[in-house]
Amino acid sequence: GAGVSQSPSNKVTEKGKDVELRCDPISGHTALYWYRQRLGQGLEFLIYFQGNSAPDKSGLPSDRFSAERTGESVSTLTIQRTQQEDSAVYLCASSLRGYEQYFGPGTRLTVT
Amino acid sequence: DQQVKQNSPSLSVQEGRISILNCDYTNSMFDYFLWYKKYPAEGPTFLISISSIKDKNEDGRFTVFLNKSAKHLSLHIVPSQPGDSAVYFCAAISFNKFYFGSGTKLNVKP
Repeated sequence: GAGVSQSPSNKVTEKGKDVELRCDPISGHTALYWYRQRLGQGLEFLIYFQGNSAPDKSGLPSDRFSAERTGESVSTLTIQRTQQEDSAVYLCASSLRGYEQYFGPGTRLTVT
Repeated sequence: DQQVKQNSPSLSVQEGRISILNCDYTNSMFDYFLWYKKYPAEGPTFLISISSIKDKNEDGRFTVFLNKSAKHLSLHIVPSQPGDSAVYFCAAISFNKFYFGSGTKLNVKP
């Protein structure tokens, strides 16, 4: 399939450990977004990459969160020293033009 | 501060009837609005959108209405089908940043 893929699909980690989440966008899509969805809540914007422009990091909740994207391909979201409140589904989306985003299936992160 | 709100966490409708999902927003700078549909264990999928310069957009069984003076958005599904049962998110865009509501879980009963 040519959709957005994310790995791992599930991640259980101990409090204090670092985790790395991966997103493979649709080939050719210049824009990539990361969101977080906590239980019972809506999608919370984290970070936005557009081509080679500087990313919009305004949604990152703390300096423990960081993300990188290599060109217009894979992106990784890193959470350092995880806390229990980081437990959520992390969703990645990509788009080519306009406003239609294509979402991946998400990574469910559980911090114990 | 949540700029997009969906005040009904759930909605139950009989098959064949109309489903109306509502969304309110606070930021008058939003220039585009979208509805997404989400099944369990899947990412949201785009359903329908509307520009802020319009007040209605229709696509098959789905119609989105925008009332800018009330800062209110609604999605009408008619006739509703059991396969429409999912969580529906509204979203609004300002300067390429998306703001999502908390979702409404729609259950269409056969």
